[in-house]
Amino acid sequence: AQSVTQPDIHITVSEGASLELRCNYSYGATPYLFWYVQSPGQGLQLLLKYFSGDTLVQGIKGFEAEFKRSQSSFNLRKPSVHWSDAAEYFCAVASYNNNDMRFGAGTRLTVKP
Amino acid sequence: ETGVTQSPTHLIKTRGQQVTLRCSSQSGHNTVSWYQQALGQGPQFIFQYYREEENGRGNFPPRFSGLQFPNYSSELNVNALELDDSALYLCASSYDRGSSSPLHFGNGTRLTVT
Repeated sequence: AQSVTQPDIHITVSEGASLELRCNYSYGATPYLFWYVQSPGQGLQLLLKYFSGDTLVQGIKGFEAEFKRSQSSFNLRKPSVHWSDAAEYFCAVASYNNNDMRFGAGTRLTVKP
Repeated sequence: ETGVTQSPTHLIKTRGQQVTLRCSSQSGHNTVSWYQQALGQGPQFIFQYYREEENGRGNFPPRFSGLQFPNYSSELNVNALELDDSALYLCASSYDRGSSSPLHFGNGTRLTVT
C-alpha cells in the first residue's frame, strides 16, 4: 500500500534562510508525487508535481523538489524563505487514477523575522 | 473562472444526526474528490466521483456516502454522526480522474460533532 512520511512535524527558519522539507514515500510502482501548501482556514494549493522525466521539478512561489528513487524521497526546497511562506506543507503520493491520493501528516513551517 | 466552493463553512451537529455537505466544482471539471482532515493530520481520501459515478473509495464506512450531479457538483452525506467525525471536510475538483489532472481544493467545511 502506498504511504507518505513527513519526518518533521514543525520547522522554524529565519526569513531569508534556505528551507528543505523532507518527504519519504512507499509505493510499489512509479509514483506520482505532489507537494501542497495549506494556510490557516484555507484549502490546499498545489505547489508542484512529479510524474516522470527530469527529477528536479520547479513549482510556484520559488519552490522546487527533487525526486530520488534510490532514497524514496521527494524533498521540497526553497533557497530563501519569505514570511508569507509560513503555512502547513503536505507531501502526497497517487496512482494513475488519482482516486487514492495519500497525504503525509504535514510539516508546519514557522518563519522568524 | 470560479474556483471550488463548499457550503456551509462551519457546522455543528449532535452525535447520531445526519449531515450533508455541498461542493461546487470548478468550471470545466468533471471529477470531484472528498477528503477528511482531522486536526493536526493530513487529508484522508473518502471517495471520488467521475461523471456521476463513484470512481474509488477510501477506508471509510458506508455511512459516508456521496452523489455527483449532472453539473458535476457534489454532496457528501454522513449518517449516524460520531464524535470522531469532527474534522475539516475538503472537496477537490479536477478536469479528469487521472493523476495528471491537478486537484483544486475548496476551503472546506468544518464539522463539529458534540
